[in-house]
Amino acid sequence: GEDVEQSLFLSVREGDSSVINCTYTDSSSTYLYWYKQEPGAGLQLLTYIFSNMDMKQDQRLTVLLNKKDKHLSLRIADTQTGDSAIYFCAERGGSGNTGKLIFGQGTTLQVKP
Amino acid sequence: NAGVTQTPKFRVLKTGQSMTLLCAQDMNHEYMYWYRQDPGMGLRLIHYSVGEGTTAKGEVPDGYNVSRLKKQNFLLGLESAAPSQTSVYFCASSYTLSGGETQYFGPGTRLLVL
Repeated sequence: GEDVEQSLFLSVREGDSSVINCTYTDSSSTYLYWYKQEPGAGLQLLTYIFSNMDMKQDQRLTVLLNKKDKHLSLRIADTQTGDSAIYFCAERGGSGNTGKLIFGQGTTLQVKP
Repeated sequence: NAGVTQTPKFRVLKTGQSMTLLCAQDMNHEYMYWYRQDPGMGLRLIHYSVGEGTTAKGEVPDGYNVSRLKKQNFLLGLESAAPSQTSVYFCASSYTLSGGETQYFGPGTRLLVL
């Protein structure tokens, strides 16, 4: 079945780059997403990438997609303390057009000043 | 424009009690979803709806029922709560399925079943 895996925790220093990794199993995924969840809040879409792309850049965020290895990464440049949150990778899964998303377990990013 | 709202924000139930979680969206979205979030497990889809009057099972539907009588509302019911249903519940909605359309999430409902 469809599965999405992430490492659970990442700690970086303020100003460094953060790289959060994700692997998925569904080779028919069309879109892959990164969501951010701040404490006590719902999920907020950060960025997404279409499966025929291998890179997407959006200000401090860079998404890399290796479709052959089914590997997705999110790089945050110049990480700030406000970036501390849980980051979820998700793929558009399920049959038919239901828009269902399959989420990874979430990576907690801790940014130390 | 409030987006997606959920009520209540927090609730404590005793085993066997019932309750209904309400999700409302004011974006005229067709699709609505209920997820539960448990530590280390990400979000898992409970039920979803692709339009008013329609519902379908997600990944973990057992113990839950849903209704979508009005387009803007999606209700999640627990008929007989169990401690295993202690979780944070998120509602989401989306408009189209084209492009990188996103699901908009509510702030969550924290449920504790004793």
